[in-house]
Formats: sequence, C-alpha cells, structure tokens
Amino acid sequence: AQRVTQPEKLLSVFKGAPVELKCNYSYSGSPELFWYVQYSRQRLQLLLRHISRESIKGFTADLNKGETSFHLKKPFAQEEDSAMYYCALSGHRQGVDAGNMLTFGGGTRLMVKP
Amino acid sequence: SAVISQKPSRDICQRGTSLTIQCQVDSQVTMMFWYRQQPGQSLTLIATANQGSEATYESGFVIDKFPISRPNLTFSTLTVSNMSPEDSSIYLCSVEGQGNIQYFGAGTRLSVL
Repeated sequence: AQRVTQPEKLLSVFKGAPVELKCNYSYSGSPELFWYVQYSRQRLQLLLRHISRESIKGFTADLNKGETSFHLKKPFAQEEDSAMYYCALSGHRQGVDAGNMLTFGGGTRLMVKP
Repeated sequence: SAVISQKPSRDICQRGTSLTIQCQVDSQVTMMFWYRQQPGQSLTLIATANQGSEATYESGFVIDKFPISRPNLTFSTLTVSNMSPEDSSIYLCSVEGQGNIQYFGAGTRLSVL
C-alpha cells in the first residue's frame, strides 16, 4: 500500500523566514512524488514534481529515498505563498487497469504573516 | 495542460436524492479520476474512469452509490446516489496529462440536508 504523511496541518511563519513543509511516504516500488498547491479560491494545481528537479516560485523539494521523504523548502517565504499544500505520490497498481494512482497526504496550510 | 470544466460548482440537496456531477475536458484524455474531499480532510480517490470500460473503484466506494459514466474521451459524470448528510463534501474530477501530472477541475461543493 502507498501512503503519504504530512505531519503538520498548519505552518505559520513570518515573511522572509525559511519554510519547510514535511512529507514522508511509504511505497514498495520506485515512487514519483509531487507537490500540489491550492491558493484561496483557486483550483488544485501542480507546484513541482521530483523528477523535474526544478525550482518553482522559489520552492524546491528533494527526494530522499533513505528517509522516504520529499520535503518542500523555500528560503524566504512571501505572503503570496499562503496556501494549502499537498504532497502526493504516484504509483502504478499491478493488475489494475487504472493507470497511476495518486495518493495525497493530509495537506499543510501555510500561513505567511507580514 | 488541460482545461477542465466541472458543474455544478455547488449544490444543496435533500437527503435521499441523487446528484450528477459533470466533468468536461478540452482535449481527449484516457484517464479521468474522481476524488472526494470531506470537510477538513485531504483528497480521497473514489474511482478511475477509462473510456469504454467500467470504472475502477477504490476500497470503500461502490458503483451503486457512485455510478460513473465515461461516454467519450472528453467527458465523464459522477452520480452521488441516495444522499445522506455524510456525503457532504467537495467532489473533484481530474485528468492525467503527460508525465503523470494530474489537472483538476474547480470542484463541486455538495451539502446534503
């Protein structure tokens, strides 16, 4: 079974402070991990994926297979980063014609205070 | 990317009735997904819908309660049947694009009285 855990439901930081949103996963195969973000009154959208190894809006995330983690980081938080962040894992289920199943963590609400 | 239109955006329904949610995509896609997001919770996959075959339901979800149609490569519906207050949730559809990225509709906020 695949599982994604985001231990913090709420993370509150001041503008300019570093941010780290934690994500741990369990998966028996080779995982593909994503961070999705939902800004206020907007739909859920992709922020970044681990295989791209890119920085989006100043955010980065490194897959650590040893620690089974995919933490999201940003060195200097901005007020516009306030949103709901979901870590997600894509894994193919054997024997099921249902493609790659996306499993979401519980989400972390990031609040960046001025 | 894909543009997804989902409707209705919200509805208030009476116990025991059914609601059909529509999801329209601006391009042909193989896989469409339906999720439920209960109040204060994360997204839970209800089922995966492929065109031309029966939907694949996740544990805890059954076809009689959540029948799904997928008549073509750009459209799908999810029906929430015989509703109870416990069905009050946001229901989202998504499609899978290149690189296993999923694109989401804006969601349907359902309240059951």
